[in-house]
Amino acid sequence: KAGVTQTPRYLIKTRGQQVTLSCSPISGHRSVSWYQQTPGQGLQFLFEYFSETQRNKGNFPGRFSGRQFSNSRSEMNVSTLELGDSALYLCASSSTGFSTEAFFGQGTRLTVV
Amino acid sequence: DQQVKQNSPSLSVQEGRISILNCDYTNSMFDYFLWYKKYPAEGPTFLISISSIKDKNEDGRFTVFLNKSAKHLSLHIVPSQPGDSAVYFCAASVSGNTPLVFGKGTRLSVIA
Repeated sequence: KAGVTQTPRYLIKTRGQQVTLSCSPISGHRSVSWYQQTPGQGLQFLFEYFSETQRNKGNFPGRFSGRQFSNSRSEMNVSTLELGDSALYLCASSSTGFSTEAFFGQGTRLTVV
Repeated sequence: DQQVKQNSPSLSVQEGRISILNCDYTNSMFDYFLWYKKYPAEGPTFLISISSIKDKNEDGRFTVFLNKSAKHLSLHIVPSQPGDSAVYFCAASVSGNTPLVFGKGTRLSVIA
């Protein structure tokens, strides 16, 4: 069974640009969550999508957005990048949501210069 | 305000001994707790979970203890192995219906 796949693995962007990250969940999983991990911080929840609908949202500015497609694949977009957006972005999939353990991808390392 | 706290950023243990990783939480509504392990350049891997109806859950070398009155949980690894060296994250949720809230992690080093 294939795991969670995130692309790309690494990205370097310039301040002010926008970026799109992709996540393909485990087959059959309908819930996809996104997290940001920065040095010294734990994983901070961005948002969760379930069956193409955003079901939960964390405390991040509107520059962070996402969507989910009918095949459960999800994308996350960050517009007007800031230096502080440099982080490891992790995607997690689960069958139903937070009541079952989530399986994480390897993450996308975003560096904003 | 941090709702899930892992107050020890790092821990070193000798191979074969017990590793005890601690986690405290402030939100009394949390009733579902998980531990994840993370190696560098990889995503976190689920280790073990516990719901508030239990005070202990065991899976092989890993045992999680939950003390609801103290709002404290701990992960015991016995015996510790060099391959256990990783960052361990504690996470909590309300009835499994809210987003997981993670601690900042504890880096465990198991020395051979």
